[in-house]
Amino acid sequence: EAAVTQSPRNKVAVTGGKVTLSCNQTNNHNNMYWYRQDTGHGLRLIHYSYGAGSTEKGDIPDGYKASRPSQENFSLILELATPSQTSVYFCASGDGTGGASAETLYFGSGTRLTVL
Amino acid sequence: GEKVEQHESTLSVREGDSAVINCTYTDTASSYFPWYKQEAGKSLHFVIDIRSNVDRKQSQRLTVLLDKKAKRFSLHITATQPEDSAIYFCAAHLGGYKVVFGSGTRLLVSP
Repeated sequence: EAAVTQSPRNKVAVTGGKVTLSCNQTNNHNNMYWYRQDTGHGLRLIHYSYGAGSTEKGDIPDGYKASRPSQENFSLILELATPSQTSVYFCASGDGTGGASAETLYFGSGTRLTVL
Repeated sequence: GEKVEQHESTLSVREGDSAVINCTYTDTASSYFPWYKQEAGKSLHFVIDIRSNVDRKQSQRLTVLLDKKAKRFSLHITATQPEDSAIYFCAAHLGGYKVVFGSGTRLLVSP
């Protein structure tokens, strides 16, 4: 069974609207991540968390907020969605092997977001 | 900033041939290099990794080579099969939570 579950799988939003992407993991991992995947860019880190109550900015945090209310759940929030945020978003949890610097990431199935 | 360049955007091979995907990185502090596979319409999953204290690691048909001097690492797949068709991402861990991904290589294995 999937250990990292994202919802929704697909989302169409309007410019200026609020969007919340949800992620749930049953791996009991401390570390969780939000990435976006765009053609030609690979995956880019938006926000991450090393435990319940913590959120940290990644490489491209502008326009995004994150929330980690529990070990299992990590949300990505777009308060005012823009067309440039149209992308595929992946959540991942990290097993912390060797510290975060050498851990294996376990990805969810992704959310395809279209902002019109 | 730190970069990981994945040199082949697309690679086509015949079934049974070998495939090689090359990546280079810029940050000499990189110490861990995983590879992830993304099949069509699916998420990414881990396939193999190498740490900076070795220069070669093999797992069945997959081998990763690391050349720290050249800041280059590569994934070698032997005896390719149709189910190897996917996008492969290389990555470099720079310490802490910093992971930089390559842009992906689409491997097509034709019968």
